Amino acid sequence: GAVVSQHPSWVICKSGTSVKIECRSLDFQATTMFWYRQFPKQSLMLMATSNEGSKATYEQGVEKDKFLINHASLTLSTLTVTSAHPEDSSFYICSARRASGRNGELFFGEGSRLTVL
Amino acid sequence: QKEVEQDPGPLSVPEGAIVSLNCTYSNSAFQYFMWYRQYSRKGPELLMYTYSSGNKEDGRFTAQVDKSSKYISLFIRDSQPSDSATYLCAMTQTGANNLFFGTGTRLTVIP
Repeated sequence: GAVVSQHPSWVICKSGTSVKIECRSLDFQATTMFWYRQFPKQSLMLMATSNEGSKATYEQGVEKDKFLINHASLTLSTLTVTSAHPEDSSFYICSARRASGRNGELFFGEGSRLTVL
Repeated sequence: QKEVEQDPGPLSVPEGAIVSLNCTYSNSAFQYFMWYRQYSRKGPELLMYTYSSGNKEDGRFTAQVDKSSKYISLFIRDSQPSDSATYLCAMTQTGANNLFFGTGTRLTVIP
């Protein structure tokens, strides 16, 4: 159990367009979902935390108007990169916490590689 | 000072070797410690989960936590080429909403 599905796994878009990435918990309810960004050979950088039905909490330095996060249900969170530019090219990963999960235990999606031309 | 320090490697070992991966941390409130394995271009997967000090064994993997030294380790016995991945330590405290990650150690097991 505890599977998190992320879609798309990779996407290429033109500069100026918007891209939406979905994160779904397939077999559990996720009270909290997290979005990370990962650069090559670097660790995960937390971008924002989203709780179902409320506004996301963004980490310092992350533009909330550029990275729109919606957590409309207990199984789905979306990240929309608006007006994407080449510097937004990165590996984006979501994770989810189970409502009844162990303290700190997160389940990660497979990641989405975004390339902005 | 970072909350969690981890040697990024890279670390290369021959097949069958014992691998030791380590992290240090500065926040004495951390009580929950995890090791995640991340294959290239994939999301991390939980490998080991431990609470407080002590050892935990799961197959070829052993996780150790020494809270007095603020030091955690992951040992891999009889390492296999399929163990080649980046290993991330992570930890948190009671009531915290997120995890604090190390930078990850890239491991290559050579056949």
